Amino acid sequence: SQQGEEDPQALSIQEGENATMNCSYKTSINNLQWYRQNSGRGLVHLILIRSNEREKHSGRLRVTLDTSKKSSSLLITASRAADTASYFCATGPTSGTYKYIFGTGTRLKVLA
Amino acid sequence: KAGVTQTPRYLIKTRGQQVTLSCSPISGHRSVSWYQQTPGQGLQFLFEYFSETQRNKGNFPGRFSGRQFSNSRSEMNVSTLELGDSALYLCASSLDVGRNTEAFFGQGTRLTVV
Repeated sequence: SQQGEEDPQALSIQEGENATMNCSYKTSINNLQWYRQNSGRGLVHLILIRSNEREKHSGRLRVTLDTSKKSSSLLITASRAADTASYFCATGPTSGTYKYIFGTGTRLKVLA
Repeated sequence: KAGVTQTPRYLIKTRGQQVTLSCSPISGHRSVSWYQQTPGQGLQFLFEYFSETQRNKGNFPGRFSGRQFSNSRSEMNVSTLELGDSALYLCASSLDVGRNTEAFFGQGTRLTVV
């Protein structure tokens, strides 16, 4: 079963604006990963943040993790039309059957 | 370093047939996981293989099976196809079965059952 919930489900912004997506989860985790998926293609790995980290950066991406609130956020700064995609979070729970549990995704549309 | 390779990219099959999908992980990666993605259910875990052994299995019927070879390449098989099996099947490669490793995905196989 999916334990990650992403918010918002859909987001539409203008090119150059920042986009923020949130992910909430239910159980203890070792790490949380963010992925991008373009129009029904494979998932592209963006960033992994471990449970003992609070913030991580990669280019225009900034990820935060708050384990006390069981939530993470992905910020894309200065968005581009090419950022249009669905974004998924995947948690790595500390126990249980599933090695990774995916959220429902946020559909981001960046308007040129 | 080559990424995860899934073949074929697209498949059209008839109800009742069977299908085999292939996944070659990143060189050096020994864990392969399979996921089914549909618009209604999102990404659902099928199974994970490591060292030719199935380590975990999701909540799918026995018609879904898989295997892993000594070179870490993996195949999944779906028998007696149903219309509801139409989906994007994604394979993920990771270094090992540890719970703190990154997973890298292939481009997927789009299966359409008619």
